[in-house]
Amino acid sequence: DVKVTQSSRYLVKRTGEKVFLECVQDMDHENMFWYRQDPGLGLRLIYFSYDVKMKEKGDIPEGYSVSREKKERFSLILESASTNQTSMYLCASSSAGDRLSSPLHFGNGTRLTVT
Amino acid sequence: GEDVEQSLFLSVREGDSSVINCTYTDSSSTYLYWYKQEPGAGLQLLTYIFSNMDMKQDQRLTVLLNKKDKHLSLRIADTQTGDSAIYFCAEPHSGNTGKLIFGQGTTLQVKP
Repeated sequence: DVKVTQSSRYLVKRTGEKVFLECVQDMDHENMFWYRQDPGLGLRLIYFSYDVKMKEKGDIPEGYSVSREKKERFSLILESASTNQTSMYLCASSSAGDRLSSPLHFGNGTRLTVT
Repeated sequence: GEDVEQSLFLSVREGDSSVINCTYTDSSSTYLYWYKQEPGAGLQLLTYIFSNMDMKQDQRLTVLLNKKDKHLSLRIADTQTGDSAIYFCAEPHSGNTGKLIFGQGTTLQVKP
């Protein structure tokens, strides 16, 4: 089974702090994604990556950056956390293959609270 | 751009059937997916249907696809309290990017 592991289930950070959310997958997947989930808004894509050192902006990249130095690891960085970034963050991965038919496999999420 | 729409809430009694509906916009979608999210957890792939199929059955789950109306439904037979969760339908982004476009999610509440 594909395993996507997010390093923290819960995080509490202060406004202005730099925050790192880590995600590791063990299936040698090429594609990795970061979504945030908010009530009433569903899942919104922040950033994604097709390969090491590659990154693409999603629908809501403002205030975030990412790092993919190794194929299995995809990090989401909040340069200066703000209260409107309080949310559930979900990491996912998928096989490159046929991109139209590859399902996403999700981690358990990190619930971030910024105070 | 693509848009996936779902109703937000469904309440059923234990033992009844649940039907969760979804509409999508991209007629070229090859696969359509249903994900389940239990409280405090990530999304779990529940089932999927290939676009050349009208129906797919997997134990208590039945997926129906109406391509003409771009309508997808998930039927859960003999709904149990353990089925209480948020259900998301999703379609691939049209640009062959590997992204999935998700609906807002339907919260299924199962009453004993």
